[in-house]
Amino acid sequence: DARVTQTPRHKVTEMGQEVTMRCQPILGHNTVFWYRQTMMQGLELLAYFRNRAPLDDSGMPKDRFSAEMPDATLATLKIQPSEPRDSAVYFCASGLVGQGAHDSGNTIYFGEGSWLTVV
Amino acid sequence: AQSVTQLDSQVPVFEEAPVELRCNYSSSVSVYLFWYVQYPNQGLQLLLKYLSGSTLVKGINGFEAEFNKSQTSFHLRKPSVHISDTAEYFCAVSDPAYNFNKFYFGSGTKLNVKP
Repeated sequence: DARVTQTPRHKVTEMGQEVTMRCQPILGHNTVFWYRQTMMQGLELLAYFRNRAPLDDSGMPKDRFSAEMPDATLATLKIQPSEPRDSAVYFCASGLVGQGAHDSGNTIYFGEGSWLTVV
Repeated sequence: AQSVTQLDSQVPVFEEAPVELRCNYSSSVSVYLFWYVQYPNQGLQLLLKYLSGSTLVKGINGFEAEFNKSQTSFHLRKPSVHISDTAEYFCAVSDPAYNFNKFYFGSGTKLNVKP
C-alpha cells in the first residue's frame, strides 16, 4: 500500500536549533507539497514542487525556512534557526496532478505529519 | 486565487442521525473538489473527490457529496453517523489557473458524534 512517509514523527527542539524534516513521496507522483497546520491558522501551504522543481514557496518565511527535493524520492523542509512560533504539525503530501494526469490522479495524499515543538 | 469556505467550525450530532457538512468555493470555473478527513493525531485521508461526471460522488465510510456548480458548493453528507466518524473534515479545491497544481483547503469542520 503506497504511502507518503515523513520523518521524524515527533521532534522537540530548543529555540535556535536547526530542524530538518524529510518526506518520501509516493513513487511516480510528480508533485510534492509542504503544509503546516496550527490551531490558529489551520492548514497553510508552505511550498510545492513539480517534477522536483520548486513552483511556489510564497507561503514560507524565507529568512529561516528552506525546501528542497534533492531527488525524486526525498523532499526536505529545513528551519534554521527555529523559533517557538514554528511549533506546528508539518505535513508532506504528494500527487500525480496536472492537466495531463489521468482522471484517477489529480489527487494529493498526505503523510502522517511531523509534530514539531520548539521550546 | 481560490477560497474555500466551511461555514460550520463545529457540528455536534447524535449517533445514527444524518449530517451535512457545508463547503462553498469562490470560483465558477471548472475545478476539482475534494473532502478529506483527519482523525486525532493523524494525517489527512481522502474521503472522496469530484473531477468530472456525475455530480453525486460516493466515498469511503458511507459518505457522499454533491457538486452544485451554480451554487459553487460541494456539501458532504452521511445518512447515519457513527461514533467513529468523530473527526475533522476538510474541503479542498484544486485550481485550474495553476494547472490544477495548487490545492486550497477550507478551515475544517469538527464533527462530534455523541452517543
